[in-house]
Amino acid sequence: DAGITQSPRYKITETGRQVTLMCHQTWSHSYMFWYRQDLGHGLRLIYYSAAADITDKGEVPDGYVVSRSKTENFPLTLESATRSQTSVYFCASSEPGTSLREQYFGPGTRLTVT
Amino acid sequence: AQSVTQLDSQVPVFEEAPVELRCNYSSSVSVYLFWYVQYPNQGLQLLLKYLSGSTLVKGINGFEAEFNKSQTSFHLRKPSVHISDTAEYFCAVSSLGSNQGGKLIFGQGTELSVKP
Repeated sequence: DAGITQSPRYKITETGRQVTLMCHQTWSHSYMFWYRQDLGHGLRLIYYSAAADITDKGEVPDGYVVSRSKTENFPLTLESATRSQTSVYFCASSEPGTSLREQYFGPGTRLTVT
Repeated sequence: AQSVTQLDSQVPVFEEAPVELRCNYSSSVSVYLFWYVQYPNQGLQLLLKYLSGSTLVKGINGFEAEFNKSQTSFHLRKPSVHISDTAEYFCAVSSLGSNQGGKLIFGQGTELSVKP
């Protein structure tokens, strides 16, 4: 499928477990982003990546790990999930060298940590 | 540092009435400005963006926004709303010339509820 996809769409996990959220884009965009959405906070940037093997922290990186071995994939791992990480997670991609400077968002993953 | 404030968390409005969703930003550098819409259980979709040029920007679904540099605002307007416009709306900024891939700073969101 063309575009940006996330999996799983819904996930329930227990406190302390490791969980990985997947993000895949087919446009070969250089930049990819992970945001979390919480009521009253809008979307907050967790991590972003400028290219394969280049990642950097955003506003709320604690408790998360990312990797980017291929341009098209940008997985987000919660190494030891906590209840405060219950949220909706969005992946996005962009190609800022174009005149559009637009980020394209995936459909989101709703994560519940019990 | 940049920040975005959406002045209304919820805006109820009747169908066919006009609506304005307010957004103010703070930045020490020039910015690009965006409005995104999120329909229930979906991702974000770009409504419109201001990069340069005319300060009145037209977007999809009949929405428009006006960039006011002196007031650091980017309010979103629609002259006549439909039930289908019920959604959450996010204002966002990114730094001009940023080397961070257009990293976005979002406002808290405004929930638009259109009633028949």
